[in-house]
Amino acid sequence: GAVVSQHPSWVICKSGTSVKIECRSLDFQATTMFWYRQFPKQSLMLMATSNEGSKATYEQGVEKDKFLINHASLTLSTLTVTSAHPEDSSFYICSASGPRATNEKLFFGSGTQLSVL
Amino acid sequence: SQKIEQNSEALNIQEGKTATLTCNYTNYSPAYLQWYRQDPGRGPVFLLLIRENEKEKRKERLKVTFDTTLKQSLFHITASQPADSATYLCALDMGQAGTALIFGKGTTLSVSS
Repeated sequence: GAVVSQHPSWVICKSGTSVKIECRSLDFQATTMFWYRQFPKQSLMLMATSNEGSKATYEQGVEKDKFLINHASLTLSTLTVTSAHPEDSSFYICSASGPRATNEKLFFGSGTQLSVL
Repeated sequence: SQKIEQNSEALNIQEGKTATLTCNYTNYSPAYLQWYRQDPGRGPVFLLLIRENEKEKRKERLKVTFDTTLKQSLFHITASQPADSATYLCALDMGQAGTALIFGKGTTLSVSS
């Protein structure tokens, strides 16, 4: 099956620093990737849709200048949390549509737990 | 906008029993509905997809039903095992082709031996 690799699994950083999270599709090309955020005991909230070679589409309420998304290749999308603050602490998960490029089934990375001190 | 409700935050059952989880949605009927499993600190894993023209789908010990009149899906795990303990998420498409899924909060299932 399709595999999505996300790195790092967890990161602790100081307030004001930037953190980059990588999401790779290992055995297929992902034209579209999705970034979600999940707070404890809450549902996954879509942050943005990342399309290869074009600007990401952000959901309402998500600051595009704070959460920078780059999808430079068909197998890699990155999310950079700039000037992180404690309220940005959350579980960030990327996902990609499978090899048939439909959104019927999403393959998820293992997630990144971000803790901002 | 579409809202998804998974009626129970937590469900505790004994090993061997059937677990039944409910997912209700409030707005448009999706083209398909999906169920995912999420373990603590991990990303969700796809389990089953059921289309709007399907009433039931099965996969091993899992069964999903879809009632577009009631705007409801039921997810069953038969002969439950402690290893089935996890959070189960219901997900719908956002109504447009190529868009992301929206998720319910999930139901955390605990199966005791």
